[in-house]
Amino acid sequence: GQQLNQSPQSMFIQEGEDVSMNCTSSSIFNTWLWYKQDPGEGPVLLIALYKAGELTSNGRLTAQFGITRKDSFLNISASIPSDVGIYFCAGPLSSGNTGKLIFGQGTTLQVKP
Amino acid sequence: NAGVMQNPRHLVRRRGQEARLRCSPMKGHSHVYWYRQLPEEGLKFMVYLQKENIIDESGMPKERFSAEFPKEGPSILRIQQVVRGDSAAYFCASQPPGKVSPLHFGNGTRLTVT
Repeated sequence: GQQLNQSPQSMFIQEGEDVSMNCTSSSIFNTWLWYKQDPGEGPVLLIALYKAGELTSNGRLTAQFGITRKDSFLNISASIPSDVGIYFCAGPLSSGNTGKLIFGQGTTLQVKP
Repeated sequence: NAGVMQNPRHLVRRRGQEARLRCSPMKGHSHVYWYRQLPEEGLKFMVYLQKENIIDESGMPKERFSAEFPKEGPSILRIQQVVRGDSAAYFCASQPPGKVSPLHFGNGTRLTVT
């Protein structure tokens, strides 16, 4: 079946550092989504990507839709303590419905002030 | 504009009891999804509902689990005769009509089975 593999599994960085994480798939996706989950809360959408090669920013966050459509990258610049959380990539399990999603296992980010 | 509301936030049940989890979607959203998250894992799709209809329940366990989204009132995820393996966080998400908009998630119900 389809799988999304995220790496790294966890990161522990100093405040102010840049962060990169990625997500790879065994199959092609037409949409990539990046969510952040804070402890005890539900995932919140950060960035949605709809076209291969697309590069989209949301403040200090930048995400790219890989040209092969089998991967995506998320970068966070100048990290701050509130960036702490779990970052998930996700893609639709069926085309035309971005509600039925498969999620990666997450990248846990910790930021040291 | 209130977000997706789930209750209760925490639910403790003994083995064999029933668990009822409620979800009120965002205003104007007619599509509801339920996801389950085990510790240290990503979310896994369970079921997709529209008002009075189950559209896709391919992620639901075959037994003990059921979901509904009645014409009036919240969506309900019901787990009968709970077992310890049902302990997880259950998230509801909603989406406006059209199926191409990203999901908005609630803050989940954390079920603990003792």
